[in-house]
Amino acid sequence: DTAVSQTPKYLVTQMGNDKSIKCEQNLGHDTMYWYKQDSKKFLKIMFSYNNKELIINETVPNRFSPKSPDKAHLNLHINSLELGDSAVYFCASSQGIGQGDEQYFGPGTRLTVT
Amino acid sequence: EDQVTQSPEALRLQEGESSSLNCSYTVSGLRGLFWYRQDPGKGPEFLFTLYSAGEEKEKERLKATLTKKESFLHITAPKPEDSATYLCAVGHTGKLIFGQGTTLQVKP
Repeated sequence: DTAVSQTPKYLVTQMGNDKSIKCEQNLGHDTMYWYKQDSKKFLKIMFSYNNKELIINETVPNRFSPKSPDKAHLNLHINSLELGDSAVYFCASSQGIGQGDEQYFGPGTRLTVT
Repeated sequence: EDQVTQSPEALRLQEGESSSLNCSYTVSGLRGLFWYRQDPGKGPEFLFTLYSAGEEKEKERLKATLTKKESFLHITAPKPEDSATYLCAVGHTGKLIFGQGTTLQVKP
């Protein structure tokens, strides 16, 4: 059974388009996250949600809008895509609120903006 | 500024040649030091959490240790299947701050 799943695995789109990435976890965790991994493999947090409430928003452009319909799902919608948005996006989850709990990551979504 | 730095960036070893990866951090109020393994095209896979200086954890050929300023991931007699990028992260202010990773290649 997949613990943290993401769809799609690959996303290729043109500048200016709007796209969404979906994430689901079946670990019963209370907190979910979105991370961005750039071409140098540097992994940086974007958002975290605890029981459907936004906890962390790391100065991400407001073109990125996370939505958590329930604590098992956290989706990421991106408006007006730009070339610089090309990266791998990872969803993760943890039992507690991030800092002292191990996080479990999904397989990633590779977004390419042309 | 809170910072996590890993060294070396890349490491090539022969099978059986033991070595160590370093993770140094400059955060106050550490809430945990985490090691992850990442294979190409996959998400990071959790390995260890260390919470206090002097703590050690082991898993197969890997052993993680923690001091007040840094952590080491010791790899004993590595095998080609240990080839991956190893990421270190510190827990602080409700999030994980990651280093840039060490890419390990183990040649047979």
